[in-house]
Amino acid sequence: GQNIDQPTEMTATEGAIVQINCTYQTSGFNGLFWYQQHAGEAPTFLSYNVLDGLEEKGRFSSFLSRSKGYSYLLLKELQMKDSASYLCAVRSNTGFQKLVFGTGTRLLVSP
Amino acid sequence: NAGVTQTPKFQVLKTGQSMTLQCAQDMNHEYMSWYRQDPGMGLRLIHYSVGAGITDQGEVPNGYNVSRSTTEDFPLRLLSAAPSQTSVYFCASNTIRGSGANVLTFGAGSRLTVL
Repeated sequence: GQNIDQPTEMTATEGAIVQINCTYQTSGFNGLFWYQQHAGEAPTFLSYNVLDGLEEKGRFSSFLSRSKGYSYLLLKELQMKDSASYLCAVRSNTGFQKLVFGTGTRLLVSP
Repeated sequence: NAGVTQTPKFQVLKTGQSMTLQCAQDMNHEYMSWYRQDPGMGLRLIHYSVGAGITDQGEVPNGYNVSRSTTEDFPLRLLSAAPSQTSVYFCASNTIRGSGANVLTFGAGSRLTVL
């Protein structure tokens, strides 16, 4: 089975940096995704890691350590529009390669 | 490209009623799936399809049916609605080819309330 843990809620200030952690346990790992979901909207893709290390994409970066079962999403130069839920999802390497989602971290950015 | 289109956006049902949530994608994606999202639970997979004519159960399939007669369409049927099926439903699709492989594209969601 798979188990994914991420904090329920975080707060940060505009212009700051925030790190959202995700730990996972899985029987077969084949990649980790981060999605952003604004309230009342659909999730949208942010990043994908399958190998250890850091993937940078503008203000957002994602890190993976497969041996530790750990990932983080780093958001720099926070803007008010970054207030959203951030979903960590792990893909298995069995069959359909199902995605299992964590419960999400709600980030509130204040002025 | 419209992406993934879901209808209806909102629906209220009485216990025991049946209904179909429609989902269509115009990206020629092989894979389509249905998720439900409940507070504190994360997105959970209901049913999925790897191609026309092929469907399979996800994590929470009970009370739901699906079919995939074409590449584009993947409707979700609630056979006899129950209050426990009150949720937000998302249809998603993805391809297994190219640089965007395995990235889910979600529909806008359907908020269902069962009284």
